Amino acid sequence: SAVISQKPSRDICQRGTSLTIQCQVDSQVTMMFWYRQQPGQSLTLIATANQGSEATYESGFVIDKFPISRPNLTFSTLTVSNMSPEDSSIYLCSVELGGFSRYSTDTQYFGPGTRLTVL
Amino acid sequence: AQSVAQPEDQVNVAEGNPLTVKCTYSVSGNPYLFWYVQYPNRGLQFLLKYITGDNLVKGSYGFEAEFNKSQTSFHLKKPSALVSDSALYFCAVRDIGETGRRALTFGSGTRLQVQP
Repeated sequence: SAVISQKPSRDICQRGTSLTIQCQVDSQVTMMFWYRQQPGQSLTLIATANQGSEATYESGFVIDKFPISRPNLTFSTLTVSNMSPEDSSIYLCSVELGGFSRYSTDTQYFGPGTRLTVL
Repeated sequence: AQSVAQPEDQVNVAEGNPLTVKCTYSVSGNPYLFWYVQYPNRGLQFLLKYITGDNLVKGSYGFEAEFNKSQTSFHLKKPSALVSDSALYFCAVRDIGETGRRALTFGSGTRLQVQP
């Protein structure tokens, strides 16, 4: 497994501002993911972030709103830009330790999440 | 496209009784199936997964799940519930037939309440 930390753990932000969330892993990982969990909802994938390539965004999420960096194999950031109250959610990063094969049987492990409230 | 259904928003069970949390899935290829648990103000914790082989999978904290291909189900079970099992449970699927996609699709979650 992997130990994953996220900063900040929670924040309250004003409308129109931006927040960058950091995800740090204690070992080198191939694949990292960013999910959003809106209040009382399930998890929705925002994007997949692989080191050395551009993040791949899911339908409904765009790079201008959620820019992602993946500078190395242990770290990633997600920025929530020009925030509105609808962005109030828990943002979670997750990792897989295995390779890129679609047949990889690896488990996805999640960080503790960042609880964002936008006023 | 892949999807997961958890038909029960909440499951109530008395401590010491067996519990079942239901999950059905839809994929175009072969599924990898997962159960996660979320405690208040915590991230998701991995419980167990089905990849291949034995249909009965055993995981953490005494939980197990049974893969049923004909019914496309992967129900989570525990023989004797504990009050500390009270949490939000998520079923997730990954379709290995979907090239290049490693992300999980989650169900809506089921809140388990175990009464003392």
